[in-house]
Amino acid sequence: AQSVTQPDIHITVSEGASLELRCNYSYGATPYLFWYVQSPGQGLQLLLKYFSGDTLVQGIKGFEAEFKRSQSSFNLRKPSVHWSDAAEYFCAVTSSYQKVTFGTGTKLQVIP
Amino acid sequence: DVKVTQSSRYLVKRTGEKVFLECVQDMDHENMFWYRQDPGLGLRLIYFSYDVKMKEKGDIPEGYSVSREKKERFSLILESASTNQTSMYLCASSLGGPSYNEQFFGPGTRLTVL
Repeated sequence: AQSVTQPDIHITVSEGASLELRCNYSYGATPYLFWYVQSPGQGLQLLLKYFSGDTLVQGIKGFEAEFKRSQSSFNLRKPSVHWSDAAEYFCAVTSSYQKVTFGTGTKLQVIP
Repeated sequence: DVKVTQSSRYLVKRTGEKVFLECVQDMDHENMFWYRQDPGLGLRLIYFSYDVKMKEKGDIPEGYSVSREKKERFSLILESASTNQTSMYLCASSLGGPSYNEQFFGPGTRLTVL
């Protein structure tokens, strides 16, 4: 069965610092991978997704993620965090015509 | 602008009540989903529907049922609410076909069962 692990429950970074959120997946075939963001009081919004091609994926709001098959990882990065990035981030995995499995989320706190 | 709306942001019900959560999407999407979100557990799929009157169980369907009579509307029903169903409920929709299509989420309904 497919699964997603987000090892960090909570991360705190200073505004302007770089960010990396970790995601590891378990799936036998080629996965489709997603990062979603949930701002306080809102539903989830797609940041970016990978399903083929270039392993470095660019998303909205200045985020990027890199698919590393050898490490079963799909880490999310941003070079300079803004206070508005404070939110909860979810990694998710699926394959063709399978349900999407979400990770448990990482809450990001941004301090001035 | 794409939109998924949920009938209530906050709902308080008593144990044993029948509860209806409504979700409407305006994107003509084939797929609709109901998730439950709990701290430390992420999102767990309750039910999904890939067409009108069609439904499939997700990971945690016990205690829930769904209805999809029209393409744009997907209802989650708690036949007899219990305190362990206190949670945030998220509805989502997506285009039909492969599951790598983006899911669009509503703002959620926070349900408290007393």
